[in-house]
Formats: sequence, structure tokens, C-alpha cells
Amino acid sequence: AQKVTQAQTEISVVEKEDVTLDCVYETRDTTYYLFWYKQPPSGELVFLIRRNSFDEQNEISGRYSWNFQKSTSSFNFTITASQVVDSAVYFCALSSEEGSTLGRLYFGRGTQLTVWP
Amino acid sequence: EAGVTQFPSHSVIEKGQTVTLRCDPISGHDNLYWYRRVMGKEIKFLLHFVKESKQDESGMPNNRFLAERTGGTYSTLKVQPAELEDSGVYFCASSQGPIQPQHFGDGTRLSIL
Repeated sequence: AQKVTQAQTEISVVEKEDVTLDCVYETRDTTYYLFWYKQPPSGELVFLIRRNSFDEQNEISGRYSWNFQKSTSSFNFTITASQVVDSAVYFCALSSEEGSTLGRLYFGRGTQLTVWP
Repeated sequence: EAGVTQFPSHSVIEKGQTVTLRCDPISGHDNLYWYRRVMGKEIKFLLHFVKESKQDESGMPNNRFLAERTGGTYSTLKVQPAELEDSGVYFCASSQGPIQPQHFGDGTRLSIL
């Protein structure tokens, strides 16, 4: 069975601090994908990144970076020099390329990030 | 390019009534998904269309929920009769392929009184 755990329910930081959002996943499949989505106060889910299970290279996009480690089944997300506009709920998700559930996303419960000015 | 559009944005109905949610995917996206988030819990999968066919409907809670995608374009999700536990935010998403990133709509907030 697929499962995603985001242990941090809420995080508060002050602007310009770095913050890391944790994501731990469970799957028995060898081919799978990991995602991060952002849900700002306006409500829509915004796609941030997708990684496949064969690519463990870290990725950096501006102030965002992602650390994928298969050894610990983790896909953590770091925001450097946080800004007030980063305040949102962040969801980690998993999908498998195998079986009848192809395409289905399994979400964690989300982490509410609040960045104070 | 227009994103995924959902209508209505909010719906408040009484228990026992019927409600129909609509989703217009991104043009050209064959894959369409419905998800639901009950307050405080994770976003949960409901079903997956490929064009007009139901690829996976194992997440549908019960037979009070009916989803359609006639002609492989927009989709509707009907709840009949609505129960209190159906309250939540219903998201629709679409993608070009089943392993491509899914693009979500703004969601429909459904409140059952």
C-alpha cells in the first residue's frame, strides 16, 4: 500500500529564515513518482515538482530545493530565505507507475507554513 | 492556456438534497481525476477517467456518488442524496498522461447542513 506522512502539521518562521518541510513515504513499488504541491490561501493546488524513483539528484529552483533519499524514503523540501508569500499549505504526494492505481495520487496531510514579516 | 475550472466554487445544501459538481479539464488532457479533502484530513482520491472511461473508481465512497465524463471533455460528480459526512472540498485535476503532473482546479467547497 502507498502512504505519505508529513509529520509537521504547522510550522512558523520569521521572514528570511530557512525552513525544511519533511515528507516520508511508503511503497513496495520500484517505479514511482513523488510530488510537492502548494496550496495558498486562495485554495488552488499548485504543482511544484515531480521526481521519479530512479533519479535521486537533488533539485534546486530559485529559493526552493528538494532532497530525495531512497535510503530513508524521504523527499524533503527546503525553502531558503523564506518570504511572507511562501505562507501556504504544502502537500507531498506519491503515485505509482505499477498496477491498477496508475496515476492516482496519495497525499500526506499537509504542512501549514506561516512566514511572519 | 486555461487551467482546470470547477463550478460552483461553493455549495451549501441540506441533507438529502442532490448536488452536481462540474469540472472542465485543461484542453487536450485525457486524464481527469476527482479528489476530496474532508476537513483536517488528507486529500483522498475518488476516481480517474481516461477520456470518457472510468479507469479507476475504487476511491468512490458509496453509490450515492456518480461521476460521468460524457464525450471525454468535462466531468460531473453528482451526490444524491447528500449526507453530512459528504462535506469537504472536492478537487478536480487533469493531466496529459497518467504519470504526468496533475493540474488542479480551485476546488468546490461543499457544505451539507
